[in-house]
Amino acid sequence: AQSVSQHNHHVILSEAASLELGCNYSYGGTVNLFWYVQYPGQHLQLLLKYFSGDPLVKGIKGFEAEFIKSKFSFNLRKPSVQWSDTAEYFCAVNGWANNLFFGTGTRLTVIP
Amino acid sequence: EAQVTQNPRYLITVTGKKLTVTCSQNMNHEYMSWYRQDPGLGLRQIYYSMNVEVTDKGDVPEGYKVSRKEKRNFPLILESPSPNQTSLYFCASSRTVGTGELFFGEGSRLTVL
Repeated sequence: AQSVSQHNHHVILSEAASLELGCNYSYGGTVNLFWYVQYPGQHLQLLLKYFSGDPLVKGIKGFEAEFIKSKFSFNLRKPSVQWSDTAEYFCAVNGWANNLFFGTGTRLTVIP
Repeated sequence: EAQVTQNPRYLITVTGKKLTVTCSQNMNHEYMSWYRQDPGLGLRQIYYSMNVEVTDKGDVPEGYKVSRKEKRNFPLILESPSPNQTSLYFCASSRTVGTGELFFGEGSRLTVL
């Protein structure tokens, strides 16, 4: 069955460290890819999205993600994290079944 | 202001007592969806709707019902709640599912005793 995988369940970083969160999906067709962020006690918000074109997409708050089709991946990156980036991050994929599927999420804790 | 409104935000109920969580969006979105969020399990889809009178099951539909009689409303119905339905519920909408740009409600925290 098609799926979305986020292998990092909980990541702990110090401020100014670089971040990379993994996202892999299992579908060989055309996909649209998204990262959502959920700050503590809040609802999910769109961080960035990829539909087509340049596989390196930039989102809000200095985040970026790279689509690597051959690896079925859409990893999220940030060169230097801040304490305010503490949140849960969800990868989502739209492709098969005309629906949007979420990964299980990665909790990021940034230590000041 | 564009928003997705859920009610109630918090509810404690008892096993078997029917309840409805309402969801309303003011953006004329076609696509609406319900999710539940549980620790370690992420976001799981319960039901979704492509448009009025069109609904379909998500990953975890057991114990839930939905209806989409109007474009703006997509209530989630628990006919006979059980403790395993204790969870945080989110309603979301999107202009079309293809855009994937979901707007989420603030969440409804449900406890079933």
